[in-house]
Amino acid sequence: EVQLVQSGAEVKKPGETLKISCQGSGYGFTKYWIAWVRQMPGKGLEWLGNIHPVDSDRTYNPSFQGQVTFSVDRSITTAYLHWITLEASDTAIYYCARLNTVGRDFDYWGQGTLVTVSS
Amino acid sequence: DIQMTQSPSSLSASVGDRVTIACRADQFIDTYLIWYQQKPGKAPKSLIYDATILQSGVPSRFSGSGSGTDFSLTISRLQPEDFATYYCQQSFTTPYTFGQGTKLEI
Repeated sequence: EVQLVQSGAEVKKPGETLKISCQGSGYGFTKYWIAWVRQMPGKGLEWLGNIHPVDSDRTYNPSFQGQVTFSVDRSITTAYLHWITLEASDTAIYYCARLNTVGRDFDYWGQGTLVTVSS
Repeated sequence: DIQMTQSPSSLSASVGDRVTIACRADQFIDTYLIWYQQKPGKAPKSLIYDATILQSGVPSRFSGSGSGTDFSLTISRLQPEDFATYYCQQSFTTPYTFGQGTKLEI
């Protein structure tokens, strides 16, 4: 069974750093891009970008470039989403998702990680 | 960026109804159009990719149509579990973009 399991909810202060994780299992982790998607409270879905586990090739949404970074550790089939300096506007649910190369859809999703940034 | 616009933003319907949600891209996207369903507190679920192809396990009452810039999702006979928010998304080019969502309510 394909699964993406994300790390738990986080509460942080503005200016702090954060790294959340997404561990894949049940499929060839190195064969699929991992995407990150943001959902702000009560709002729609926004694509942050993708990372490929083989060579860490990254594609960022220009709207988010410089605000977040992606990394991956193939040895533990885990992808990460990093912030160097959090802002209150980063408060959202963040999903990881597998990008299916056939349908070019996000066919499996993690359960989401709620990030709350508040002073 | 390619802008995706869904209509309506919300829709009230009853069990057994047939409903259609529209999605328009402001540029040509061929058939690189996906439909997702999201229920409260849950991650989105892929329903249809390549504009018309049902994901494995998705009931046949869901169907998609369209190409180019205009697309639609139709649910032929609404079931109680279909009340959710639906999003379209283009995967023609990055940055991938989503519609604003259509909330389907009882």
